[in-house]
Amino acid sequence: DSGVTQTPKHLITATGQRVTLRCSPRSGDLSVYWYQQSLDQGLQFLIQYYNGEERAKGNILERFSAQQFPDLHSELNLSSLELGDSALYFCASSVVYNEQFFGPGTRLTVL
Amino acid sequence: GNSVTQMEGPVTLSEEAFLTINCTYTATGYPSLFWYVQYPGEGLQLLLKATKADDKGSNKGFEATYRKETTSFHLEKGSVQVSDSAVYFCALSSNAGNMLTFGGGTRLMVKP
Repeated sequence: DSGVTQTPKHLITATGQRVTLRCSPRSGDLSVYWYQQSLDQGLQFLIQYYNGEERAKGNILERFSAQQFPDLHSELNLSSLELGDSALYFCASSVVYNEQFFGPGTRLTVL
Repeated sequence: GNSVTQMEGPVTLSEEAFLTINCTYTATGYPSLFWYVQYPGEGLQLLLKATKADDKGSNKGFEATYRKETTSFHLEKGSVQVSDSAVYFCALSSNAGNMLTFGGGTRLMVKP
């Protein structure tokens, strides 16, 4: 158990809908990262927050957004969902520079 | 930009065989290098890491050495077990961003 929690574990929705994925980092970790794992794109970095502020952006679509709250949990919002958004979404957290601990992931299925 | 290339799988071995999974990288500056493992149905677990050239990371019998001259970080284990069956990801983190850039993953299957 990495100490990073993600909810929900599974999410099934329809095209055009909006969903919110939630991540609670390990106690004391200020940085939260979001990654997408799909069969065609592999594991890709989406976005990083540090202590409530956006720190870095990767290959994140404009339909996707994220935020980190004062209690350090983070949410990833995915809107206008398409079939191609079906993937595993991982959250990771870190306090020590360069060492990230991953949550169990949320599996999103868009029908 | 940064990139990581690792050997495609699946790699199928018999128990107690020697394992090598190749990983090479392209990066600016002096990245840190990692191996993560993903067991079926689970998230990624950090297996080992190395933060500078010639460092050797090791954990649970797995080893990898940071070779700057060949830009490589190959994963090795002397004697694999069935329980090592998983997908292994090589990754790097540049000093600039700290986000991880992953290779495509290599599935390892160990047969008894």
